[in-house]
This record gives sequence, structure tokens and C-alpha cells, in this order.
Amino acid sequence: AQRVTQPEKLLSVFKGAPVELKCNYSYSGSPELFWYVQYSRQRLQLLLRHISRESIKGFTADLNKGETSFHLKKPFAQEEDSAMYYCALSPYTSGTASKLTFGTGTRLQVTL
Amino acid sequence: EAQVTQNPRYLITVTGKKLTVTCSQNMNHEYMSWYRQDPGLGLRQIYYSMNVEVTDKGDVPEGYKVSRKEKRNFPLILESPSPNQTSLYFCASRPDRMSDLFTDTQYFGPGTRLTVL
Repeated sequence: AQRVTQPEKLLSVFKGAPVELKCNYSYSGSPELFWYVQYSRQRLQLLLRHISRESIKGFTADLNKGETSFHLKKPFAQEEDSAMYYCALSPYTSGTASKLTFGTGTRLQVTL
Repeated sequence: EAQVTQNPRYLITVTGKKLTVTCSQNMNHEYMSWYRQDPGLGLRQIYYSMNVEVTDKGDVPEGYKVSRKEKRNFPLILESPSPNQTSLYFCASRPDRMSDLFTDTQYFGPGTRLTVL
């Protein structure tokens, strides 16, 4: 069974401070990992995915298979980063669609 | 505009009164899914559908039904709602993996806040 763990419910940082949102997963096969973000009163949207190795809004995430982690990082937090962040896992299959499992989410609060 | 729509956005009902939450997407996506979002539990998948007439259970299917008679629509049915189904519900869609349009990104609807008294 696949599982995603986000150990922190709330992460509060000062503006300009580094941010690291933790995500650990368990899955026996080869997973695809994602970070989704939900800003206040907005729908959930994809922030980034590990296969594209991109940086979005200054955020990056590296898949560490040895530690089964996919932590989200940003060197300098901005007020507009305040939101709910969800880590998600999808088992890679060569066939058709598969389940997406979410973590419980971490609320990032950036204060002045 | 490409989007996923849900109706109603807010619903207050009573225990046992059947209800349907509609979900529609205009992107010709094969894959559609329903999630519920609860504090401290994150998003949990209820049901998903890989294409018309193909549905499967997610992690928390008890008390819910779905149907996929048309590609664009994926309604969520609560035959006999109970208070523990009070939650925020999200519908999502994306292209099939075998499609030329495939992307990992799931497009989410705006959510339906359901209260069962």
C-alpha cells in the first residue's frame, strides 16, 4: 500500500527565512511525487512534480529514494507563500490511470 | 476556459436524504476522481473513473456511489447521508496516461462544502 506522511500540521516562519516542508512516503515500487498547494479560498493546484525537476515560485523538491523523502524547499519565504501544502504520490504504471494518495497537509504561515 | 465545475458549492441537508453532487469537465479528460478533505486527514480519494462506464473504489468509498455515463460528467451520490459525511468534496480530472495529452496534473474543481445534520 502507498502512504504519504507530512509530519508537520503547521509551519510558521518569518518572511525571508528558509522554508522546508517535509514529506516522506512509503511505496514498494517506483513512485511519482507531487506537491499541490491550496491558497485561501482557492482550489487545489499543482505546484511541482519530481519528474520535471523544475522550480516553481522559487520552490524546489528533490526525490530522495534512499530516504523516501520529497521535501519542499524555498530559500526565502514570502507572505504570498502562506497556504496549505499537500504532498502526493502516484504509483508509476505503464498502463492507464492510477490512484493519487495525499498526505495530511502542512499549513505554511509566513509572518512579518 | 478549461475547467472542472461542481454543483452545488454549498449544501446543508439532513440525515438520510439522498443527494447528488455533480462534477463536469470540459477538457475531454478520461480520468476523473472524487476526494473529501477533512481537517487533520488531508484529501482522501473516494472513487475514481478511468473512462466511461469504468469506475473503481478509492480509499474511503463507503457510503458513496458514482456513475460515469458520459465522459464529461462524474456525479457523486450519497444515497443516505450521515453526519460523518460532512466534509469538503473535490472533483478532479486529467487525461489518460495513454493519451497524447497526458499530464500528471490533476485539475481540481472549486469544492463542495456539505453539511449533514
